[in-house]
Amino acid sequence: SAVISQKPSRDICQRGTSLTIQCQVDSQVTMMFWYRQQPGQSLTLIATANQGSEATYESGFVIDKFPISRPNLTFSTLTVSNMSPEDSSIYLCSVGGRANTEAFFGQGTRLTVV
Amino acid sequence: SQKIEQNSEALNIQEGKTATLTCNYTNYSPAYLQWYRQDPGRGPVFLLLIRENEKEKRKERLKVTFDTTLKQSLFHITASQPADSATYLCAPLGTGGFKTIFGAGTRLFVKA
Repeated sequence: SAVISQKPSRDICQRGTSLTIQCQVDSQVTMMFWYRQQPGQSLTLIATANQGSEATYESGFVIDKFPISRPNLTFSTLTVSNMSPEDSSIYLCSVGGRANTEAFFGQGTRLTVV
Repeated sequence: SQKIEQNSEALNIQEGKTATLTCNYTNYSPAYLQWYRQDPGRGPVFLLLIRENEKEKRKERLKVTFDTTLKQSLFHITASQPADSATYLCAPLGTGGFKTIFGAGTRLFVKA
């Protein structure tokens, strides 16, 4: 199993600013995943963060908007840049989920952009 | 393109009844299929995994079936309780899959 700590748990931000979300795992993992969950919607994968290489982004997500860092095997950050109200969502960090293993999630960061 | 479909409408059932949730997928040949539970304001929590060569899997009051011909999985909660009220997500995975992609989820309400 894995325990994931994510912070901040929530924030209210002004449009045009940026917010960096941190994700800490209690064990070393090769891949970490960042999801977005818009109000009333399911989870959408933003990107896969690998240690030592650039993140791999899913269709519709770009590095300029969602830069990701992965400095070591237990930590990652996701930045939401130049925010607009449309970025108001819950952002979740995850590990695991490879083929026949379960995925573990942090509690999420609830972001409101005003 | 790959698509995962779950009942978009909420499912309302009476306590004690069996809840059945559906997950259909297209343009996929998953080797595994997972089910998760998500409560409001929290991340998803893993419930069950079923492999393509397994027709059925049980865990306490939960039962999952996996029909690769119909490209469908059914998730059953027997003797449902109000505490089972949550959103349930399915996630098919390929053999080499390393990222979890979720269906839209079905919201379940169990009335006392």
